[in-house]
Amino acid sequence: GDSVTQMEGPVTLSEEAFLTINCTYTATGYPSLFWYVQYPGEGLQLLLKATKADDKGSNKGFEATYRKETTSFHLEKGSVQVSDSAVYFCALSGLLSSASKIIFGSGTRLSIRP
Amino acid sequence: EPEVTQTPSHQVTQMGQEVILRCVPISNHLYFYWYRQILGQKVEFLVSFYNNEISEKSEIFDDQFSVERPDGSNFTLKIRSTKLEDSAMYFCASSQGEVWTGELFFGEGSRLTVL
Repeated sequence: GDSVTQMEGPVTLSEEAFLTINCTYTATGYPSLFWYVQYPGEGLQLLLKATKADDKGSNKGFEATYRKETTSFHLEKGSVQVSDSAVYFCALSGLLSSASKIIFGSGTRLSIRP
Repeated sequence: EPEVTQTPSHQVTQMGQEVILRCVPISNHLYFYWYRQILGQKVEFLVSFYNNEISEKSEIFDDQFSVERPDGSNFTLKIRSTKLEDSAMYFCASSQGEVWTGELFFGEGSRLTVL
């Protein structure tokens, strides 16, 4: 079935460092891909998305590009801030096999040191 | 800004008791979901609901679980006889269309502790 694999955390960086969180997926057909973020004590919220190959999703300085050839959707940010400390979930939803749900990866906890 | 609201924020119950978790989705949304997250683990899909019936459910969503939309605003998850392993954060979510076209909007969660 469809699945998402993302790098395990926790990831600890200093403020202004470059961030990459890797995500690869397995899916039937051509899924939509998402990054969701969960700040402490809150529910998940959509950070960015891409619905077709080569699309780049971006928001709040974060970017991810839908790479069909490598089945990847890595999250990047050029300069992280303390306020980016959260858990990040890569996710997918597929038209064919998972049309009525989003499948999440296991989450990567990110901590940013001042 | 419209939001998904959930009650209670935290419930403690004894094993074997019935629990009802309540959610008010965003008013013009048509698709509703329950997910759960056991402490430190991944967010797991439980069930999706559309047009007053279940669209899809996971293996976790066994006969002990049920969902209902009793009126035009509430969406409930009932656990008939709770087990210790049901302790988790339960998230309600809603979306305007099918998920592959857009995003899910999540509530802040209901933490269930089964003793």
